[in-house]
Amino acid sequence: AQSVTQPDIHITVSEGASLELRCNYSYGATPYLFWYVQSPGQGLQLLLKYFSGDTLVQGIKGFEAEFKRSQSSFNLRKPSVHWSDAAEYFCAVGALSSNDYKLSFGAGTTVTVRA
Amino acid sequence: DGGITQSPKYLFRKEGQNVTLSCEQNLNHDAMYWYRQDPGQGLRLIYYSQIVNDFQKGDIAEGYSVSREKKESFPLTVTSAQKNPTAFYLCASSTPREGSYEQYFGPGTRLTVT
Repeated sequence: AQSVTQPDIHITVSEGASLELRCNYSYGATPYLFWYVQSPGQGLQLLLKYFSGDTLVQGIKGFEAEFKRSQSSFNLRKPSVHWSDAAEYFCAVGALSSNDYKLSFGAGTTVTVRA
Repeated sequence: DGGITQSPKYLFRKEGQNVTLSCEQNLNHDAMYWYRQDPGQGLRLIYYSQIVNDFQKGDIAEGYSVSREKKESFPLTVTSAQKNPTAFYLCASSTPREGSYEQYFGPGTRLTVT
């Protein structure tokens, strides 16, 4: 079964500084990987996804993520954080088997942006 | 606009009562999912359905029930057997059969049981 670990529960970053959120996954085959963002009391919004091909993927809101198979990682980055980036971020891995498809989510990382 | 709607946004019930959460999508997606979210635990899968009239248990199905009579609708019933039902519930949909593996989420329903 697949699983996801997000080692950082909470990260505080200054506005304008860079941000990196870590994600490690466990899955036997080539994974489908996702990053979602959630504002308080809201649903999840997809930031970016990786299925195959170029290991550096670009997403919305200026985010990017890099897939590293050797490290089983899919870290999310943003060069310059805006106050509106304060939210909770979830990494997820998808597994497809016998026409059955599910996502497994990490516990999330809460990002606080200070002025 | 296409999307997923969940109603109501806030729901209050007394202990011992069953309650049904609504989830509707107009994205023409085959698959639908129900998740429970508790602080610090991420999202846990309750039930999912890959096609109409079929559904499977997720990781925490005990105390919950679902139906999938229409492609657009996937209601979740929280029964009195669920020991700790207070949580934020999220519905999602996707079309894995068409090679689209991301899930799209509704705005969620916060259920409080006292």
